[in-house]
Amino acid sequence: GEKVEQHESTLSVREGDSAVINCTYTDTASSYFPWYKQEAGKGLHFVIDIRSNVDRKQSQRLIVLLDKKAKRFSLHITATQPEDSAIYFCAASKPTGYQNFYFGKGTSLTVIP
Amino acid sequence: ETAVFQTPNYHVTQVGNEVSFNCKQTLGHDTMYWYKQDSKKLLKIMFSYNNKQLIVNETVPRRFSPQSSDKAHLNLRIKSVEPEDSAVYLCASTQRGHYEQYFGPGTRLTVL
Repeated sequence: GEKVEQHESTLSVREGDSAVINCTYTDTASSYFPWYKQEAGKGLHFVIDIRSNVDRKQSQRLIVLLDKKAKRFSLHITATQPEDSAIYFCAASKPTGYQNFYFGKGTSLTVIP
Repeated sequence: ETAVFQTPNYHVTQVGNEVSFNCKQTLGHDTMYWYKQDSKKLLKIMFSYNNKQLIVNETVPRRFSPQSSDKAHLNLRIKSVEPEDSAVYLCASTQRGHYEQYFGPGTRLTVL
């Protein structure tokens, strides 16, 4: 089955700097890669996603890059703010119609004011 | 805005008891999921349910069973809880053909 590795377990950046979280996957059939944010005591909140037909997607301060050859994707948060502090999860899924998400282990991001 | 609702928020019980958690979504989606998040925040899919049909059961112990009355509800029943069942259980939903899954706030189970 699919395995998603999330390389940074913790990450600290200063407010205003950029944060980068890297993930790799194993199944070449995976084609959808979402990112979720989890704040303390809460469920997962969708932040951004990318599909395999593109290699870059941006939504305001969030940029997702996808390298299909390397089976790697990354989340870039620019101009970080204290409210960006949370756990971020990457995931991968296949286009089966009832896709299951395979999640990475999460990255705890702390933005230092 | 919350559209996937889970009850209870917390539940504490003893080994061997039966528990049941509820999930309801108001998004009109046709597919629902249960995930388990352990103490290390690791997330694993447990069940996928579409139109009352179980689609995937990812090597989950038999004491776990999903129960659905309609496509908006998917409950999770654990027959005889064990200490390793202590975790946060997250419910999610999606619409077939779409990609994004919407998650509820989770139910935290503690087994003493």
